[in-house]
Amino acid sequence: GQNIDQPTEMTATEGAIVQINCTYQTSGFNGLFWYQQHAGEAPTFLSYNVLDGLEEKGRFSSFLSRSKGYSYLLLKELQMKDSASYLCAVADSNYQLIWGAGTKLIIKP
Amino acid sequence: IAGITQAPTSQILAAGRRMTLRCTQDMRHNAMYWYRQDLGLGLRLIHYSNTAGTTGKGEVPDGYSVSRANTDDFPLTLASAVPSQTSVYFCASSLSGAADTQYFGPGTRLTVL
Repeated sequence: GQNIDQPTEMTATEGAIVQINCTYQTSGFNGLFWYQQHAGEAPTFLSYNVLDGLEEKGRFSSFLSRSKGYSYLLLKELQMKDSASYLCAVADSNYQLIWGAGTKLIIKP
Repeated sequence: IAGITQAPTSQILAAGRRMTLRCTQDMRHNAMYWYRQDLGLGLRLIHYSNTAGTTGKGEVPDGYSVSRANTDDFPLTLASAVPSQTSVYFCASSLSGAADTQYFGPGTRLTVL
């Protein structure tokens, strides 16, 4: 079967750095997405990786290793507004997105 | 309209009733999707459409139907609602059915009693 694993919840301090991991087992791979979802709101796109390596976008970076079935989202200089759930999703061989359950990130002052 | 809109925002429905959730996008995207989101589970694909006039089944299609008469609209119908269909429903769209970024509507919170 297809499976996406990510931690259920993480806590970090304002101004610090946090890394959210995602491991996947899917039938085929056509890229990995990270989305942010604030409580009661819709998911919004953060990043897309299809090749191995690190993609940096401001305070957020995303890393992919296809051979290990692994990705992480790195958030730097954490702000209170970063408190949200972070969703990992993989596009399978049919280009359908398989979603992880999400990681709830709690930022403490 | 800017982006994707969904209606209603929330709804309480008696079991056995028929309900249609509406979704409209103005981005001229070819592909549209319906997901449900339940606590502790990832988003699960119900139905999708890669282009107007075509639809496909996702991971959890039973009890739901869709139509795609034109590019902009993608309604989701529950023919006879059951309590297990209580969920938050998100409509999304992308430029194509390939691995393009999906953009989400604000969601419909549905409670079936």
